[in-house]
Amino acid sequence: DSGVTQTPKHLITATGQRVTLRCSPRSGDLSVYWYQQSLDQGLQFLIQYYNGEERAKGNILERFSAQQFPDLHSELNLSSLELGDSALYFCASSVVPPEGGRETQYFGPGTRLLVL
Amino acid sequence: KNEVEQSPQNLTAQEGEFITINCSYSVGISALHWLQQHPGGGIVSLFMLSSGKKKHGRLIATINIQEKHSSLHITASHPRDSAVYICAVWPRGTDKLIFGTGTRLQVFP
Repeated sequence: DSGVTQTPKHLITATGQRVTLRCSPRSGDLSVYWYQQSLDQGLQFLIQYYNGEERAKGNILERFSAQQFPDLHSELNLSSLELGDSALYFCASSVVPPEGGRETQYFGPGTRLLVL
Repeated sequence: KNEVEQSPQNLTAQEGEFITINCSYSVGISALHWLQQHPGGGIVSLFMLSSGKKKHGRLIATINIQEKHSSLHITASHPRDSAVYICAVWPRGTDKLIFGTGTRLQVFP
């Protein structure tokens, strides 16, 4: 158990709908990362938040948005869903030391999204 | 061409064999991450490297920054090592991890 929790575990929805995925980082971790893993594209970085602020952005579609709340949990909002959005969505957290550098990321169990 | 290439894509081994998985990348990096993804989908971080070598139990990871290459070795492999092993790099100056496509390892008893 990494200490990172994600809800829900599974989500089935229809095209055009909107869903919200939730992530609670490990206690003390200020940084949250979101990743998408689809069958055809592998793992891709979507977005990173650090202590409530967006820090880095990857291949995140305009239909997707995220935020990190004062209690450090994060939500990833996916709207106008398409069949191709079906994927595993992972969040990860890390401490990210104040001086920068790299820290091990701890991954949540993922949310499996199926768009029908 | 992907910025992070792994080889082999698939690997089968008999229990007890020594395993090597390779990762080559084309960009300057600040660090490299080896991850293990279990059949159920969960991802575990194995190592983070910026130079040299790290060892944890039967796992050893090495990196050669000049050659832009890293290897993950598993000694005395066991069926419970069966998983997908993923290499990921942090390009210098960015916080965006770039992932390889993974190596699927199956270890048979």
